[in-house]
Amino acid sequence: DAGVIQSPRHEVTEMGQEVTLRCKPISGHDYLFWYRQTMMRGLELLIYFNNNVPIDDSGMPEDRFSAKMPNASFSTLKIQPSEPRDSAVYFCASSFSHGMPQYFGPGTRLLVL
Amino acid sequence: QKEVEQDPGPLSVPEGAIVSLNCTYSNSAFQYFMWYRQYSRKGPELLMYTYSSGNKEDGRFTAQVDKSSKYISLFIRDSQPSDSATYLCAMSAVIRGATNKLIFGTGTLLAVQP
Repeated sequence: DAGVIQSPRHEVTEMGQEVTLRCKPISGHDYLFWYRQTMMRGLELLIYFNNNVPIDDSGMPEDRFSAKMPNASFSTLKIQPSEPRDSAVYFCASSFSHGMPQYFGPGTRLLVL
Repeated sequence: QKEVEQDPGPLSVPEGAIVSLNCTYSNSAFQYFMWYRQYSRKGPELLMYTYSSGNKEDGRFTAQVDKSSKYISLFIRDSQPSDSATYLCAMSAVIRGATNKLIFGTGTLLAVQP
């Protein structure tokens, strides 16, 4: 299995631009998670899906952030408009079932200038 | 008070030492406990997964869960420079039949000196 796939791996953009991060979970996994990691705040859960349905988006910082999962093999996290404080590493993770371990992708390193 | 507390380190040990990494937690409903290893500029990688109390061993790694004390540990025997990384504990609870929200510690930075 290829594991969780994320793209792009690095993104540099200017403040105000739209940023779209992409994730392909491990085949057969029903849960998909989006995390953000910074030195100051550590690993934060933004949102998670079960069977393509958003279950908990309480971690999404504000309306500038949105996430979709149109099918079982693809999800996007969009930031519009982006701000410098959004600079972080964004991870996608997936798991087979509730209570089971989550497997992380390599992350997207985002820098907003 | 955070739900999960973990000493951020850094922890520096000589090669071959036994390393002990720990987390404490406050939520007695936690039942699933994990340890992840994260190398610099990489994603967290699952190391150990345990359910409820007890020990689990995998090669040089041993995970212990003490639910009565709300304390979990990861031991690394014969530590190697390649073990140098950040170690994150994580845990979750099953509430009303379903949940899958992992609560992470802040991570402990480990450096194994050759």
